[in-house]
Amino acid sequence: AQSVTQPDIHITVSEGASLELRCNYSYGATPYLFWYVQSPGQGLQLLLKYFSGDTLVQGIKGFEAEFKRSQSSFNLRKPSVHWSDAAEYFCAVGGPTDSWGKLQFGAGTQVVVTP
Amino acid sequence: GAGVSQSPSNKVTEKGKDVELRCDPISGHTALYWYRQSLGQGLEFLIYFQGNSAPDKSGLPSDRFSAERTGGSVSTLTIQRTQQEDSAVYLCASSAGLAPYEQYFGPGTRLTVT
Repeated sequence: AQSVTQPDIHITVSEGASLELRCNYSYGATPYLFWYVQSPGQGLQLLLKYFSGDTLVQGIKGFEAEFKRSQSSFNLRKPSVHWSDAAEYFCAVGGPTDSWGKLQFGAGTQVVVTP
Repeated sequence: GAGVSQSPSNKVTEKGKDVELRCDPISGHTALYWYRQSLGQGLEFLIYFQGNSAPDKSGLPSDRFSAERTGGSVSTLTIQRTQQEDSAVYLCASSAGLAPYEQYFGPGTRLTVT
């Protein structure tokens, strides 16, 4: 069965420091992978997506993620965090073994940014 | 036009009562999704409507949950005989037919069952 694991429930990072959020998946075929962000008081927003091709994908707000098939991972990174990046981040997986468009989300990682 | 809207934003109900939650998707979006977000649980898929196809109901947790989508637009999620474990934020999302994974989420309805 497909699943998404975000090992870190909570991460604290200093403003200006780099950030990496981990995501591991289990999927029976080549997955489609996504990162969504939920900022306080706002709805979820798509940050970036991977379907195929280049395994390093760029998203909005300066985020990037790398698909590593051998590690079943899709980690999210940002070189320099801004205070506005404080939010909850969700990794999600979909693909050909599911209904077109159906996503399974991880439990989320809460990011706190300190001055 | 406007984004996905949901109503009510908050709902408090007594155990055993029925509730209806409403979702207005983005105009022109053919796909509509319902999720449930419980504290520390992430987003749980409930049901998915795509155009005129039969909905994917595989995520509904029990037969107390049902949803319909009228005229390919507005959707209503109904929970019958609510239980305390139904307390959560219910999120609706919509997407265009050609980009189903780019889902636009509404603000959610926070349901509290007392």
